[in-house]
Amino acid sequence: EDQVTQSPEALRLQEGESSSLNCSYTVSGLRGLFWYRQDPGKGPEFLFTLYSAGEEKEKERLKATLTKKESFLHITAPKPEDSATYLCAVRSGNTPLVFGKGTRLSVIA
Amino acid sequence: NAGVTQTPKFRVLKTGQSMTLLCAQDMNHEYMYWYRQDPGMGLRLIHYSVGEGTTAKGEVPDGYNVSRLKKQNFLLGLESAAPSQTSVYFCAIKDLDIYTFGSGTRLTVV
Repeated sequence: EDQVTQSPEALRLQEGESSSLNCSYTVSGLRGLFWYRQDPGKGPEFLFTLYSAGEEKEKERLKATLTKKESFLHITAPKPEDSATYLCAVRSGNTPLVFGKGTRLSVIA
Repeated sequence: NAGVTQTPKFRVLKTGQSMTLLCAQDMNHEYMYWYRQDPGMGLRLIHYSVGEGTTAKGEVPDGYNVSRLKKQNFLLGLESAAPSQTSVYFCAIKDLDIYTFGSGTRLTVV
């Protein structure tokens, strides 16, 4: 059974204070690891897909990395508008995405 | 979210009542999904469909039924609502590898 564990559950940062979110996973044959951002009252919004260990992707202040057991979402010099819940999900084979419980990020000005 | 429309956006039901949630896509994607999201539980898959006329169970299917009579629409039904079904329901479509989600239906069962 595919499992995804995200940590921490909640993170509070000062504006400009860089940090990382963790997503550890257990799957039988990873076919993709996905990061989503979710704002309050809205549906999740796609950020990145990573397919193999060593892969990295960047978008503005966000950078996602992947190893064989976990993924990190690095946030560099965050701004208040980066406040959201960040969701990690995995896919193995042709099965639907399995999501973690998310990390709630608050960036304080 | 563009391309995936969920109706209604909010609903309050009494225990035992029935209702249908509608997910409509304006594209031509085969795969559609229904997830529920509860505080502290993350997104959990209820049912999904890999094409018109097909449905399959997800992680938490009990108490729900689905139908995909037309490719554009995926319906989620609650025959006899229970307070445990109070949740936010999200529909998603899959375009290649990327899931696009609707804006959600907030359902309260009292």
